[in-house]
Amino acid sequence: GAGVSQSPSNKVTEKGKDVELRCDPISGHTALYWYRQSLGQGLEFLIYFQGNSAPDKSGLPSDRFSAERTGGSVSTLTIQRTQQEDSAVYLCASSFAGGRPDGYTFGSGTRLTVV
Amino acid sequence: RKEVEQDPGPFNVPEGATVAFNCTYSNSASQSFFWYRQDCRKEPKLLMSVYSSGNEDGRFTAQLNRASQYISLLIRDSKLSDSATYLCVVRTGGYQKVTFGIGTKLQVIP
Repeated sequence: GAGVSQSPSNKVTEKGKDVELRCDPISGHTALYWYRQSLGQGLEFLIYFQGNSAPDKSGLPSDRFSAERTGGSVSTLTIQRTQQEDSAVYLCASSFAGGRPDGYTFGSGTRLTVV
Repeated sequence: RKEVEQDPGPFNVPEGATVAFNCTYSNSASQSFFWYRQDCRKEPKLLMSVYSSGNEDGRFTAQLNRASQYISLLIRDSKLSDSATYLCVVRTGGYQKVTFGIGTKLQVIP
């Protein structure tokens, strides 16, 4: 596609439920990133993919968070047993090369609300 | 101390004014610097990279002061459309060491 696509755009879930967030990067972009943006906070790095591999998962806040990427394309971020503090906007970005913020294209994000 | 610090604002300025934002970073080994713009409820988008010698793009000027470890963004002749949050981005090392500041909110008033 022309840009990075994320779905759903909004998700309201009950505390304790699992959620899956999806990111479709720009075709040909090998690098993919997940960030989280909470109210009044900067973008918090979660995980980076180069192809299907995740060289660094250290940004994931707890073992309730996991992510995968298949076919060097679509990525899914899964949050198990959601908590209220998980409420945030989850942003996905892709780029041709890793670690080049001048090449990032962000999706419009998934706004997650845990009630 | 946070890795990247910005004054969250808001900065309320009249149309036509000149406004400047600073962003400080804590790691002297930081290599690359950028300004992103984020409109309300939208995704961040690259505004400009910041080069060591300073650089200009139309009404926008970015500067780097390595000695004092800060970058700045100057906006001249502010337009209503400049109203947004401006995020400072610092890269230190590899892909995971890209840190975004909390952003400075600018509101340009008619």
